[in-house]
Amino acid sequence: GDSVTQMEGPVTLSEEAFLTINCTYTATGYPSLFWYVQYPGEGLQLLLKATKADDKGSNKGFEATYRKETTSFHLEKGSVQVSDSAVYFCALSDPTGAGGTSYGKLTFGQGTILTVHP
Amino acid sequence: ETGVTQTPRHLVMGMTNKKSLKCEQHLGHNAMYWYKQSAKKPLELMFVYNFKEQTENNSVPSRFSPECPNSSHLFLHLHTLQPEDSALYLCASSQDSVNTEAFFGQGTRLTVV
Repeated sequence: GDSVTQMEGPVTLSEEAFLTINCTYTATGYPSLFWYVQYPGEGLQLLLKATKADDKGSNKGFEATYRKETTSFHLEKGSVQVSDSAVYFCALSDPTGAGGTSYGKLTFGQGTILTVHP
Repeated sequence: ETGVTQTPRHLVMGMTNKKSLKCEQHLGHNAMYWYKQSAKKPLELMFVYNFKEQTENNSVPSRFSPECPNSSHLFLHLHTLQPEDSALYLCASSQDSVNTEAFFGQGTRLTVV
């Protein structure tokens, strides 16, 4: 079945440091890939997405590139801020998974806690 | 504000109580979902509804009973829960097509005592 593996956390950085959170996946078909962010006490918000190989998703200074050859979708940001402190989830939606149609249902990684200090 | 609203935000219930979680979406979506988020575990998909029909039950115990009266509303009825059911329950919605992102509510923090 489909699965998503994220880099173990927590990750602690100083403000303006470079961020990488690794994500790899297994899927039976050609999934879409997503990064979601969850701020304290909140639900999940879509951060960025990529729907096919070599696509780059970007938003709020975050980027991730869909790498089919390495089945990866690593999240990067060149200079983090204290306000980026949150939990980050990598996820995939596979239209050829069990049941034949995903209707948008997602398989999530375990989440990576990011803390950014001033 | 994602367009998906969940109530209540927090709920404490005893193991013999019956309660319901409510989710409402104002996005015109046709698919709605319940997810469970427990500490130290990935988000678990519980139920999927598409055009008010349940299309997936991910081996969820019968003490959790979903209801989808229309495409805008989704309920999760709870009865005789266990302390290990304490978690954040997240509702989401999406358009009825493949490869589309889900929009999440803020969740209901459930504590079973």
